[in-house]
Amino acid sequence: QQQVKQSPQSLIVQKGGISIINCAYENTAFDYFPWYQQFPGKGPALLIAIRPDVSEKKEGRFTISFNKSAKQFSLHIMDSQPGDSATYFCAASIGGDDKIIFGKGTRLHILP
Amino acid sequence: DVKVTQSSRYLVKRTGEKVFLECVQDMDHENMFWYRQDPGLGLRLIYFSYDVKMKEKGDIPEGYSVSREKKERFSLILESASTNQTSMYLCASSSRQEGADTQYFGPGTRLTVL
Repeated sequence: QQQVKQSPQSLIVQKGGISIINCAYENTAFDYFPWYQQFPGKGPALLIAIRPDVSEKKEGRFTISFNKSAKQFSLHIMDSQPGDSATYFCAASIGGDDKIIFGKGTRLHILP
Repeated sequence: DVKVTQSSRYLVKRTGEKVFLECVQDMDHENMFWYRQDPGLGLRLIYFSYDVKMKEKGDIPEGYSVSREKKERFSLILESASTNQTSMYLCASSSRQEGADTQYFGPGTRLTVL
C-alpha cells in the first residue's frame, strides 16, 4: 500500500529523444508526487512535482503526466541531453505526513 | 539556499566499530531524515526526527540509532558496524510549514565496512 513502483530500472536514450519514466502507486491517500534528480556524487534534488488536481505539469523540457484513475504518473524529458544523464526517483506523500515514499530509481543515460 | 552538509564524503571502518555520521542543516528545518541508498533498492528510510530530541523509526532501523540534541544537527550511529552496512548514507531536511513538502539532501557519505 505504501509502495511506489518505478520502471524501468535503467534507460538509454539518444540525444534529442524523449525519455519516459513511469511510476505507479496503490495508496489513494497520496496527494503529492515529486520527482527527484540525482547526479553522480550528489544528493537527490527536487526536479518537478505535481498534485492530483491537475493531469499535467510542465517545466521547461520536463513534464509530469498524472492519471488519477489508473494511479500512475510519469516523467517525460523532451529533447533529452547528455546533461540529463542522472538517476531519477519518483515519490509520493500524504499531506500532513512529512515522510516521502520513494521509488527505486531509474538510471538514465543519454547518448551524445 | 538550503544547505545540508554531512561530515564525511568517504569513510572506511572495521567490523564492530562504533560509527558516527553527522548531518547539519542551516535552514532551521524541523524535520531531518537519514536514508541509505543501495543499487536497485532506491532510498530506504532509516530514522527521522520531527523535533529536537524526537526520533521515529523508518523502514530499516535495525542496527542503527540516532541523536538530535540540537535543531540543526542529526546524527546517525552504527553501534557495531557490520559489512552489510556498507552503503551510501544520505541525510535530508524539510520544513513542517504547510505546503513545504520538499526534502533537501546532503551530498552523502559513502561508508565501507571491512
